[in-house]
Amino acid sequence: GENVEQHPSTLSVQEGDSAVIKCTYSDSASNYFPWYKQELGKRPQLIIDIRSNVGEKKDQRIAVTLNKTAKHFSLHITETQPEDSAVYFCAASKGSGNTGKLIFGQGTTLQVKP
Amino acid sequence: DSGVTQTPKHLITATGQRVTLRCSPRSGDLSVYWYQQSLDQGLQFLIQYYNGEERAKGNILERFSAQQFPDLHSELNLSSLELGDSALYFCASSVVPGGAEAFFGQGTRLTVV
Repeated sequence: GENVEQHPSTLSVQEGDSAVIKCTYSDSASNYFPWYKQELGKRPQLIIDIRSNVGEKKDQRIAVTLNKTAKHFSLHITETQPEDSAVYFCAASKGSGNTGKLIFGQGTTLQVKP
Repeated sequence: DSGVTQTPKHLITATGQRVTLRCSPRSGDLSVYWYQQSLDQGLQFLIQYYNGEERAKGNILERFSAQQFPDLHSELNLSSLELGDSALYFCASSVVPGGAEAFFGQGTRLTVV
């Protein structure tokens, strides 16, 4: 069945360091991979996404890489700041024409220590 | 503000009761998704509607049902509530059913006592 595995479950870094979160998906038909940030008690918010025809995408301090052959994708945050502390979720879905349901990983709690 | 509105924000009810959660998608979004987030858990997909029709079902209990109305708002009905149903229920919407950003509402926190 459809499954997304996310690691690590918790990640603690010093301010200014980089953080990397990795995800693996099972359905080879998946072609849309968003990342969401959820602060405590708040809604998940999209921070970056990537489609299967792209290998890497950057947005300021955030980047996502995708390896379709290995069915892996990763989130990279550079120069981390205390406000980056949150739970991060990766997700995978099949694109237009299918259901579009997002299958989420279990989440990574990122703590950035000042 | 994502443009997705969920009501109520908080709900406390007793076991065995029935509740209805409401979601208004962003203007122009035709697809609505419901997710359940239990304490320290991830986001579990429940059900999806697109333009009034059910598109996909996840691990939704038989005690739960949903629908999407002609004005595109959606309701999630939870019946015969159990303590384990206590969770944060999110609604999300997107323009199309796949490959597009899903915008989440602020959630309804359901507490079953």
